Amino acid sequence: EDQVTQSPEALRLQEGESSSLNCSYTVSGLRGLFWYRQDPGKGPEFLFTLYSAGEEKEKERLKATLTKKESFLHITAPKPEDSATYLCAVRSTNKLIFGTGTLLAVQP
Amino acid sequence: GAGVSQSPSNKVTEKGKDVELRCDPISGHTALYWYRQSLGQGLEFLIYFQGNSAPDKSGLPSDRFSAERTGGSVSTLTIQRTQQEDSAVYLCASSSPSGADTQYFGPGTRLTVL
Repeated sequence: EDQVTQSPEALRLQEGESSSLNCSYTVSGLRGLFWYRQDPGKGPEFLFTLYSAGEEKEKERLKATLTKKESFLHITAPKPEDSATYLCAVRSTNKLIFGTGTLLAVQP
Repeated sequence: GAGVSQSPSNKVTEKGKDVELRCDPISGHTALYWYRQSLGQGLEFLIYFQGNSAPDKSGLPSDRFSAERTGGSVSTLTIQRTQQEDSAVYLCASSSPSGADTQYFGPGTRLTVL
């Protein structure tokens, strides 16, 4: 059964304190791993898609990496505006299977 | 351009009533998805439409749930005889036919069943 597990469930950082979020997955034939950001009361906002082990993508203070079993979302020198829930998902046939997310709080 | 839009943004209903939730996808997107997000849980797939093909209804939790897509654009998710466990945020997403697979989400409809 396809499955996505994210850790930690919640993370509190000081502004400028870099860290990483983890997404472990099991899927029969990876057709894409997706990272989204979700702010309270809003829909998920697309960040990255990764397709093969070794692939990396960057956007501002965020960098996503992918191995055969997991993906990491690295946050470098975060700012308070990076506070949000970060969701990881894998594509399985016609749908995305999501993890439960990591709630990130960045304190000034 | 405009993103995915959903209406209403909030819906409060009484147990046993029927509700309709609307989704207007990004123009030109042929694929449309409905998901449900319950408190403390991940997004749960409900149904998928692609062009004129038969929809993938494998995620619908019961026969009280149904969805249609008219003219390959707007979609309506209908929940009949609502139950308290139906309370959740219902999210719609669409993706383009280019094969990029990226799903773009709307803001969601928060459904509360009293």
